[in-house]
Amino acid sequence: NAGVMQNPRHLVRRRGQEARLRCSPMKGHSHVYWYRQLPEEGLKFMVYLQKENIIDESGMPKERFSAEFPKEGPSILRIQQVVRGDSAAYFCASSPTGSLLSNQPQHFGDGTRLSIL
Amino acid sequence: DAKTTQPNSMESNEEEPVHLPCNHSTISGTDYIHWYRQLPSQGPEYVIHGLTSNVNNRMASLAIAEDRKSSTLILHRATLRDAAVYYCILRDNYGGSQGNLIFGKGTKLSVKP
Repeated sequence: NAGVMQNPRHLVRRRGQEARLRCSPMKGHSHVYWYRQLPEEGLKFMVYLQKENIIDESGMPKERFSAEFPKEGPSILRIQQVVRGDSAAYFCASSPTGSLLSNQPQHFGDGTRLSIL
Repeated sequence: DAKTTQPNSMESNEEEPVHLPCNHSTISGTDYIHWYRQLPSQGPEYVIHGLTSNVNNRMASLAIAEDRKSSTLILHRATLRDAAVYYCILRDNYGGSQGNLIFGKGTKLSVKP
């Protein structure tokens, strides 16, 4: 049973370019969470999605960042016009149901390390 | 979600037990105590969680104080592969956040051979 798959593992972009990060949840999981981790920091929540719906985007910067989880295919975190401060590790997690109400653990991928030149 | 306090770092010897403490004095009656760990260059990994009673699984044990204001993650025999940052997280199942985990800085555990 494959775990949460994120790609690419490493992504290098120049300032002003777009970054697209992909996350395929575990089989049977319909809830996806994105987190960002700056160097030497803990993970910070960004957005929580179910298939075709954004449930909670309270941690997402208001500009340049967007996320989607279409009916078919992986969840995508998109960062437009990247800046140096966007350099971080971005982690995706999934759960079979809303992990809050069911108190189920979240299963994490190994992240995408984004570097902005 | 209520806040947790953990030591920044701890050291252990291989094959010895490790007790990782976590203080959560403002815990509410509906908060579960979750532990995750993050190995170098990897995503966080679920370890264990509990509400009031002590819990055991194949990875670790969780000892919860009677007043629930603190808890301890116990690794019974540390191995080099247990070297990681361990996060203690409270999750409120009623109201509060929508399900996201709130990570602090955790405890960096070093294991010496």
